[in-house]
Amino acid sequence: GAVVSQHPSWVICKSGTSVKIECRSLDFQATTMFWYRQFPKQSLMLMATSNEGSKATYEQGVEKDKFLINHASLTLSTLTVTSAHPEDSSFYICSARATGIAELFFGEGSRLTVL
Amino acid sequence: AQKITQTQPGMFVQEKEAVTLDCTYDTSDQSYGLFWYKQPSSGEMIFLIYQGSYDEQNATEGRYSLNFQKARKSANLVISASQLGDSAMYFCAMRVSGEAAGNNRKLIWGLGTSLAVNP
Repeated sequence: GAVVSQHPSWVICKSGTSVKIECRSLDFQATTMFWYRQFPKQSLMLMATSNEGSKATYEQGVEKDKFLINHASLTLSTLTVTSAHPEDSSFYICSARATGIAELFFGEGSRLTVL
Repeated sequence: AQKITQTQPGMFVQEKEAVTLDCTYDTSDQSYGLFWYKQPSSGEMIFLIYQGSYDEQNATEGRYSLNFQKARKSANLVISASQLGDSAMYFCAMRVSGEAAGNNRKLIWGLGTSLAVNP
């Protein structure tokens, strides 16, 4: 199957700093990538849909200035958590869709801890 | 409203036995897709099986099969011959389209079922 790589897999940062998470499709081109947030023992919450070459579409209640998404190429989307606070601590996971394939392929996830 | 319901927060099964994880869905779309993903404690999401709304036969992938009951709007996952490595969270998801989803045909997720396989 197609491979999606997410980096870093875990990060600890101080409150007020910004953290960038990368999501790469390694062996296919992904015009659309999705960013999710997951709290412990809960389901995935879609944050935004990232489209290559255009602005991301954010879900209701997600602050676009807080969670900056850039999809500059067909194989890379980035999520930047700006001025992170402890309440932003969570598991962030990206997924991508390959043309003609039904399922989404997921990255390994990134566990963010803000001190 | 588009919705996925997984009514079993947790399930136990004995190793080598079969287990059914429930999933019901609600949509007004005629064309939709249903997915099951597995999430072990490490966090990655692993695709298991897919069923299209127009597929007449139930999907099967190795030990996984999807019991698709369109009239009842259910898409239960059946795992045969459970193995210890099957212990994980299992999520049912539905791909929606149409205006409510915008142009990106996003997935609607259930809350998940935690499966524990006992030796």
